[in-house]
Amino acid sequence: GENVEQHPSTLSVQEGDSAVIKCTYSDSASNYFPWYKQELGKRPQLIIDIRSNVGEKKDQRIAVTLNKTAKHFSLHITETQPEDSAVYFCAAYMNRDDKIIFGKGTRLHILP
Amino acid sequence: KAGVTQTPRYLIKTRGQQVTLSCSPISGHRSVSWYQQTPGQGLQFLFEYFSETQRNKGNFPGRFSGRQFSNSRSEMNVSTLELGDSALYLCASSLNGGSVQETQYFGPGTRLLVL
Repeated sequence: GENVEQHPSTLSVQEGDSAVIKCTYSDSASNYFPWYKQELGKRPQLIIDIRSNVGEKKDQRIAVTLNKTAKHFSLHITETQPEDSAVYFCAAYMNRDDKIIFGKGTRLHILP
Repeated sequence: KAGVTQTPRYLIKTRGQQVTLSCSPISGHRSVSWYQQTPGQGLQFLFEYFSETQRNKGNFPGRFSGRQFSNSRSEMNVSTLELGDSALYLCASSLNGGSVQETQYFGPGTRLLVL
């Protein structure tokens, strides 16, 4: 079936450095890619999303890039801060199945 | 607007029992999706309900079922519980869901422990 691969599963970066999380998807017709952040003990919350008609979207320190040809998209967090520590999930809307499939998550640790 | 709410927040059951979880979406939202979250497996899609009809379902056994009421509140039922059903069950609501590709708003989840 359709799936979304997310890497790495764990990422540690020094405070102030950048973090990059990458995802690949299988359904070439996918056209909507949200990213969710889940802090410890809390619910996932949307932080940014991108649609297939654009290649990049930025919101302050967060950016997402999309390469439709290669079927991969990435989350970039610059100038990381302690509050960025969380699990991040990428997701892709699968047109064929009419549902959103999530990656398995990346646990991001911001080191002091 | 009040956010998505789920009850109960915590539940302990034994193998073979059945359980019913409840989800109240944001007012005006008509789509409710359910997910199972376990360590290492991320968020796995169970099913989506819209206007009291199951619109889509994931790859879970028939022991997992759900329904939606006319006020968009949804319930999820798991029968004949197994140890592997221990997980955080999240529901998410959106205005119309499905092919409209809207933002999903998650509830706090129900943590189920099966002993």
